[in-house]
Amino acid sequence: EAQVTQNPRYLITVTGKKLTVTCSQNMNHEYMSWYRQDPGLGLRQIYYSMNVEVTDKGDVPEGYKVSRKEKRNFPLILESPSPNQTSLYFCASSPRTGEREQFFGPGTRLTVL
Amino acid sequence: AQSVTQLGSHVSVSEGALVLLRCNYSSSVPPYLFWYVQYPNQGLQLLLKYTTGATLVKGINGFEAEFKKSETSFHLTKPSAHMSDAAEYFCAVSDPGTGGFKTIFGAGTRLFVKA
Repeated sequence: EAQVTQNPRYLITVTGKKLTVTCSQNMNHEYMSWYRQDPGLGLRQIYYSMNVEVTDKGDVPEGYKVSRKEKRNFPLILESPSPNQTSLYFCASSPRTGEREQFFGPGTRLTVL
Repeated sequence: AQSVTQLGSHVSVSEGALVLLRCNYSSSVPPYLFWYVQYPNQGLQLLLKYTTGATLVKGINGFEAEFKKSETSFHLTKPSAHMSDAAEYFCAVSDPGTGGFKTIFGAGTRLFVKA
């Protein structure tokens, strides 16, 4: 089944404790992206990657890191999480050509205490 | 810079009534335009998209939207609402200059359908 998977789905952590949220897609898509969703703000793009080793900042990159060493994986790293990073996070992928439809993962709900 | 405005954070309609969800955007170049739907506790899925060509686009579940360049709008409609349409709807634009990959989402409109 074609899909985007994220792990973990739920995470509660404490301020300053480094964490990684994994994202993997099995559709051979070149493009991947991370978003955070907050009430009243919709989805805001954190980082995106157009291919292996090619990443760029979205609108809210502060406090986040990403890497794209393999085509299928695009982990989101919070080196020192803070309470304002409590949010619902979505990973998405899209083929480089075609209609630019994004396929979304199920989401990761992160709480930073 | 691009931006997206969805008018109305909540819209309530009766079952069988017309659904109209409004989206206006600002962009210096014609963007790619999308509507996504999010059901409770799920990720987003594409309803429909406009990139080039016909300005009236049809999507899944009976939804359609019309790209109006002069009004910078991309409103979503459905002639007859069904209970299963209750969800949150997001309008999104992306910048063709980045290959369509840098995407801005609106704040979302939650649709309620009354029996």
